[in-house]
Amino acid sequence: QLQLQESGPGLVRPSETLSLTCSVSGDSITSSSYYWGWVRQPPGKALEWIGNIYYSGSTYYNPSLKSRLTMSVDTSKTRFSLNLRSVTATDTAVYYCARTTYNHAWFFEYWGQGMLVTVSS
Amino acid sequence: QSALTQPASVSGSPGQSITISCTGTSSDIGDYDYVSWHQQHPGKAPKLIILDVNNRPSGVSNRFSASKSGNTASLTISGLQADDEATYYCSSYRGSNTLIFGGGTKLTVL
Repeated sequence: QLQLQESGPGLVRPSETLSLTCSVSGDSITSSSYYWGWVRQPPGKALEWIGNIYYSGSTYYNPSLKSRLTMSVDTSKTRFSLNLRSVTATDTAVYYCARTTYNHAWFFEYWGQGMLVTVSS
Repeated sequence: QSALTQPASVSGSPGQSITISCTGTSSDIGDYDYVSWHQQHPGKAPKLIILDVNNRPSGVSNRFSASKSGNTASLTISGLQADDEATYYCSSYRGSNTLIFGGGTKLTVL
């Protein structure tokens, strides 16, 4: 059974970098059949797609975040990561990592439990 | 990126059917069949209930059905049950390797 688990600091100072990792168990992150992604949800608000990454390292980013965003995959350690630079309070959200359905980049089938990241001084 | 437009809330009584709309543009819903729907209970991760406009993942009740016409997608839940009370999000591929979500619709089962 696939499991995804987000980890990282729950509090980040404004202007600093938000760094999260998603650990994958129960499946290979190197499978060519799936994409891995991040979705966030500010408190009480809607879901927002952040970006997707393929095991090869190719990425798709939300244009509104692209200038501050880097995603990477560590196939040897079965995890992928998110770095969001120059954060502000508007980046406060629950961050979810997810995996897509088979052979498709745009339907998130498996989700982590989510992790609240607060941006505050 | 502007979100897809969903009604903020809908309600229905147990056993009834409800439909939630999701309106996009000719650049997303109107141009691609990559529409999905997620159900989210409070404090929980979203759950995929519809993909490819109208297909259900294994294990999802056939009380959930969906369709698309032009720039609008729709989710119908028949035989409403108390556990259906949740927030529902549509999403669509928007071209140029980007994805957009709707603003979410809170379903209340009366």
